[in-house]
Amino acid sequence: DVKVTQSSRYLVKRTGEKVFLECVQDMDHENMFWYRQDPGLGLRLIYFSYDVKMKEKGDIPEGYSVSREKKERFSLILESASTNQTSMYLCASSRQEAKNIQYFGAGTRLSVL
Amino acid sequence: QKEVEQDPGPLSVPEGAIVSLNCTYSNSAFQYFMWYRQYSRKGPELLMYTYSSGNKEDGRFTAQVDKSSKYISLFIRDSQPSDSATYLCAMCESGGGADGLTFGKGTHLIIQP
Repeated sequence: DVKVTQSSRYLVKRTGEKVFLECVQDMDHENMFWYRQDPGLGLRLIYFSYDVKMKEKGDIPEGYSVSREKKERFSLILESASTNQTSMYLCASSRQEAKNIQYFGAGTRLSVL
Repeated sequence: QKEVEQDPGPLSVPEGAIVSLNCTYSNSAFQYFMWYRQYSRKGPELLMYTYSSGNKEDGRFTAQVDKSSKYISLFIRDSQPSDSATYLCAMCESGGGADGLTFGKGTHLIIQP
């Protein structure tokens, strides 16, 4: 079974803090993705990566950065958290030849106060 | 243009009913069409996917794609309380590569026992 593990289920941070969200997959997938999910807005792509040290902006990259130092790990970084970044964050992975079949983690619900 | 439209519901039906969930889209380049199911406080999981137009059946679930109308459907027969979840349609232009999927906002489905 494919497993995508997000390090935290719930996080509470203060405005201005630097926040790290970690994601690990165990299926040797080339592609990894970070989405955020908000009521009424659905899932929106923040960043994706197709290889180690490679990253591409998604639809809403502002205020975020990412890091992929190892194939199995993809980190999302909020350099200076703001209240409008309160959301559910979902990590996903896929094989490069089948990007339509994405496996998701359970999500991290982040609250920025 | 990448917009995907999906009625958010909630859609409430009695157990045993046939459920029809739908999405419309505007980008004629979309070729892969997916349905993901998301239980409360969990990440989405892939239910089914189809390539181009046509039908695909898997147990109680049938996915239909009508590219001429830019309209996709998911039918659930003999619905069960365990089918209660949010159903997300998703689409992309190609199966390979690394860019993300375009999701609908999701339909919240409730199956009443």
